[in-house]
Amino acid sequence: GDSVTQMEGPVTLSEEAFLTINCTYTATGYPSLFWYVQYPGEGLQLLLKATKADDKGSNKGFEATYRKETTSFHLEKGSVQVSDSAVYFCALSVGGTSYGKLTFGQGTILTVHP
Amino acid sequence: NAGVTQTPKFQVLKTGQSMTLQCAQDMNHNSMYWYRQDPGMGLRLIYYSASEGTTDKGEVPNGYNVSRLNKREFSLRLESAAPSQTSVYFCASSEDPGPHYGYTFGSGTRLTVV
Repeated sequence: GDSVTQMEGPVTLSEEAFLTINCTYTATGYPSLFWYVQYPGEGLQLLLKATKADDKGSNKGFEATYRKETTSFHLEKGSVQVSDSAVYFCALSVGGTSYGKLTFGQGTILTVHP
Repeated sequence: NAGVTQTPKFQVLKTGQSMTLQCAQDMNHNSMYWYRQDPGMGLRLIYYSASEGTTDKGEVPNGYNVSRLNKREFSLRLESAAPSQTSVYFCASSEDPGPHYGYTFGSGTRLTVV
């Protein structure tokens, strides 16, 4: 079945450090890929997405590139801020019988210190 | 711009009690979803409704029932609560059930079953 694997956390960084959160996937079809962010006490918010191979999603300084050859969708940011502290979820969606349903990774907790 | 509204935000139940979690969206979205979030396990799909008048089981449907009351509302019912159903429950909606659409999430219901 479809699955998403994220790097183990938690991740702790100093402000202005470079961020990478790894995400790899297994899917039977050609998935769309997503990153969601969850701030403390809140629901998930869509951060960025990519719907086909080699697409780059970007938002708020975060980027991720859909790599079909390595089945990966790693999240990066060049300079993190304290306000980026949150839980980050990688997710995929395929068509067919799984039409529209999102499959999530386990989440990666990011803490950024001043 | 309310988006997806969930009620209640917190609930404590005794084993065997029943309750209904309410969800409403005001974005005229066609598809709605119920997920549960447990530590280290990401989000798992309980039930979904691809369009008004249809509902289908997700990954973990046992012990739950749903009702798509109209296009706006999608409720989740626990008929006889068990401690294993202690979790944070999220409702989400999307414009259509296709694989390219992201979700809008509610802020969650934190349920404790004692």
